[in-house]
Amino acid sequence: QVQLQESGPGLVKPSETLSLTCNVSGTSIDSHYWSWIRQAPGKGLEWLGYIYYSGTTNYNPSFKSRLTILVDTSKNQFSLNLRSVTAADTAVYYCARVATVSSLDYWGQGALITVSS
Amino acid sequence: QSVLTQPPSLSAAPGQKVTISCSGSTSNIGKNFVSWYQQVPGTAPKRLIYDNDKRPSGIPDRFSGSKSGTSATLGITGLQTGDEADYYCGTWDSSKTVAVFGGGTTLTVL
Repeated sequence: QVQLQESGPGLVKPSETLSLTCNVSGTSIDSHYWSWIRQAPGKGLEWLGYIYYSGTTNYNPSFKSRLTILVDTSKNQFSLNLRSVTAADTAVYYCARVATVSSLDYWGQGALITVSS
Repeated sequence: QSVLTQPPSLSAAPGQKVTISCSGSTSNIGKNFVSWYQQVPGTAPKRLIYDNDKRPSGIPDRFSGSKSGTSATLGITGLQTGDEADYYCGTWDSSKTVAVFGGGTTLTVL
């Protein structure tokens, strides 16, 4: 079955870069689009962007200046780099498979990232 | 402030029916399909409904979805204590070119 698993550092210092990887299993990454979503503590879901296996991306304009999403088809994984983080970037970060632009069908379990010195 | 508007909370008794509304605009719900997600606290969201009214395999028919104009609705019948969760609607906004979500509705089954 399709499974996604986020991995990352857990704690990032202010002004540094948050890096996360999503490992995909049970399906080939070149069959769909893939997305990152985050959820601040006690808040709702916020879409960050998506990527296709070809490298085509679409970012939330709110993050476009400091967000990069990459794909590594040889490892069947994709990644997120969010630069110049602040405490407001503290959140659970989820990776998900894009079924359609309106629908995310498989989600990772989430990775809590805390931005603090 | 979320692009899609949901009631913050609802409560109902076991066995009852509840509906959760999701209000948007012509650039999002009015133009695109709507999905609904269930999130039990501490876990990842789970897709309940896609393409307005379709249920993925394994989702019981107690859950239903509908859309009219710029609003969508999630219906849950025969409420169970296990249905206590946060529910989110989501869609694509063609003007903003972003995926958007509602602020979430916390359902309490008491």
